[in-house]
Formats: sequence, C-alpha cells, structure tokens
Amino acid sequence: NAGVTQTPKFQVLKTGQSMTLQCAQDMNHEYMSWYRQDPGMGLRLIHYSVGAGITDQGEVPNGYNVSRSTTEDFPLRLLSAAPSQTSVYFCASSYSRWAYGYTFGSGTRLTVV
Amino acid sequence: TQLLEQSPQFLSIQEGENLTVYCNSSSVFSSLQWYRQEPGEGPVLLVTVVTGGEVKKLKRLTFQFGDARKDSSLHITAAQPGDTGLYLCAGAGRLQGAQKLVFGQGTRLTINP
Repeated sequence: NAGVTQTPKFQVLKTGQSMTLQCAQDMNHEYMSWYRQDPGMGLRLIHYSVGAGITDQGEVPNGYNVSRSTTEDFPLRLLSAAPSQTSVYFCASSYSRWAYGYTFGSGTRLTVV
Repeated sequence: TQLLEQSPQFLSIQEGENLTVYCNSSSVFSSLQWYRQEPGEGPVLLVTVVTGGEVKKLKRLTFQFGDARKDSSLHITAAQPGDTGLYLCAGAGRLQGAQKLVFGQGTRLTINP
C-alpha cells in the first residue's frame, strides 16, 4: 500500500503566489487532515475532513482552503502565499478522528520568499 | 499555551543507556498516542494508550498512560543509534470546550554510538 502520498516534496514560492499541495490516501480512511510543523511549536492543525464533502477549520486556518470531493483526495490550497507560511506541511489520515492513530505523508517543505 | 508539555525537549545519550521521555498535561485525555519522526519524513505511529494505568511494550520501548489519564511516559531500555529521532506525543480529549487532538512540541533524541 502507498499509504498517504503528498506532492510536491519541496516548493519555493514568491510572496503572493498561489499553489495547491496534493494529498492522496489509498486506505479508505474517512478522516483526513492537514498540519503544519514549525520548530518548537509541534504540529498544528490547519483544516480537516471527516468524509467526502465535509471540511472544517483547525486551529490555524487563515490563508488556506481545502475541499474533499472524494474519499481519497484532500488538497490544500494557499491563496496568496506569505513568508509566515514557510513551514513543513503534513497530510494525515485515519479511520476516525479520535480513536485511532494517524498515518502521515512524508511532508512538503514550503519556502515563501 | 501548550496543552501537552514534553520533557526534555532535547536529549543526547550514549548507546546502551536507558532514558525516559515525559508527556504532561493538566487536562484529561481519552487516549494518547506516541509517534517517532525521522528527518525528512512524517511521524510514524508507535502506540496508542486508552486506559488509565495502561502499559504497552514495543521491544525495548515501554509506554505508560498515567492513572489519571493526564500524563504519559516513554521509556527506552538500552538505547541504540536507530532510536534517534523526534518523539511526539498526542492527546485526544475535550480541551478548552471542544473535542481536540493536540500534539506536544516533541523530544529530539540522539543516541551516540
């Protein structure tokens, strides 16, 4: 099984540019989420989805949009990149939001200049 | 304010030594997860504990959930260089009025040969 696949692995953007980070899972997990990881701050939840067609905000949603048209895919869109969005982004999926551990992708390292 | 405090944040020891990493909170969790993350990769789930006082063993790693479900520890016996990585705890529960899963800031462990 591929698990959770994230693309791209690395990306450099100029301030104001937009882009989409891709995330796909092949485990038929209902729950998917996006986190950002910054030094000394752990993992912070950006947006999450409990199933196709259902999304909600996490603790740091500003500047990001998501959609969930299929069970497999959960893309994260940066609307107008800012240097504060420089981070490592992880997509994660699980059978449920609380009772099971998460399977994480390998991450996207984003630099906004 | 960090809802889950991990200590120590950094730990460097010699191969063969024992160590303990702590994950503490003033909040009660319904479950607690431990992950290990290697450079350039996403976190990988090691264990989930759900019952107060529960102890789980994974080879040389011993995980314990506190009786009051507010804290957890990870003990490694006879550490090996392959144990090097970032260890993250994550707790699920009703926090600040809402159901959440929160991550600690991590313990960066280095095992020297």
